[in-house]
Amino acid sequence: AQKITQTQPGMFVQEKEAVTLDCTYDTSDQSYGLFWYKQPSSGEMIFLIYQGSYDEQNATEGRYSLNFQKARKSANLVISASQLGDSAMYFCAMREGIRDDKIIFGKGTRLHILP
Amino acid sequence: DTEVTQTPKHLVMGMTNKKSLKCEQHMGHRAMYWYKQKAKKPPELMFVYSYEKLSINESVPSRFSPECPNSSLLNLHLHALQPEDSALYLCASSPTSTTNEKLFFGSGTQLSVL
Repeated sequence: AQKITQTQPGMFVQEKEAVTLDCTYDTSDQSYGLFWYKQPSSGEMIFLIYQGSYDEQNATEGRYSLNFQKARKSANLVISASQLGDSAMYFCAMREGIRDDKIIFGKGTRLHILP
Repeated sequence: DTEVTQTPKHLVMGMTNKKSLKCEQHMGHRAMYWYKQKAKKPPELMFVYSYEKLSINESVPSRFSPECPNSSLLNLHLHALQPEDSALYLCASSPTSTTNEKLFFGSGTQLSVL
C-alpha cells in the first residue's frame, strides 16, 4: 500500500491564482514528519516546507503553507499568488518514527502555471 | 557551505564498464542517501548511510555498490549495469535521521547505460 498518495498527476493554474496540491499519507506512528519538495525541469530537488506530527499550527514559509489535517491524514501544500517560476514537479514526502533513516516520496504533481 | 556536490553531472557508460558516482558534503551531516529517479517518477530510495554505516539497502542489485569512506563522502560504484538502470541518481544528506530533518539534495548525475 502506498504510504504517500498524491492524486493529481497534473494541474494547470492561471498566474497569480492560489493553488492547492493534495497529499494524503498512511502511518501508524505517532511521530512523523511531512515534507514538500519542488523539482524544476533542471532536476534539482528544492525543499519547500516541513510539518511535524506534533506541530499544532500549520507550517508557513513565504508563499507556501501547509494545510495539515491530522485526523484526515492529509498535508496539502498551498501556494499563494502563483508565479510562472512555480511550474515544476511537486513531491510530498514523509519520514516516520522518532528516528528513521528513510524518507519516502509520493508520485508527485506536475504544476503548470499559465501566463 | 550548504551544498551537496555530485560528480559527474552526466555519465554515459557501456554495460561492461565500471564507473563511480561521487557525492560530497561539508555540512557535518551524518546521514547520507542515494536515490534513483526515472523520468516523470518520484525518487526511489536505494541506500542510506548513518554515521558511516550502511543502515538501509532497499534490495538494490549488487551491480550497485555503495561506499562511505568518511563522513563527508559517499560513492556509488557501478558495474555491469543494464540499460534500464539509466536514470537520474540523486545524493542527499541530513544532519542525522530524526523526524524533523529535511534532506539536502545534490543536483544529481544523469546516467545513460548503452
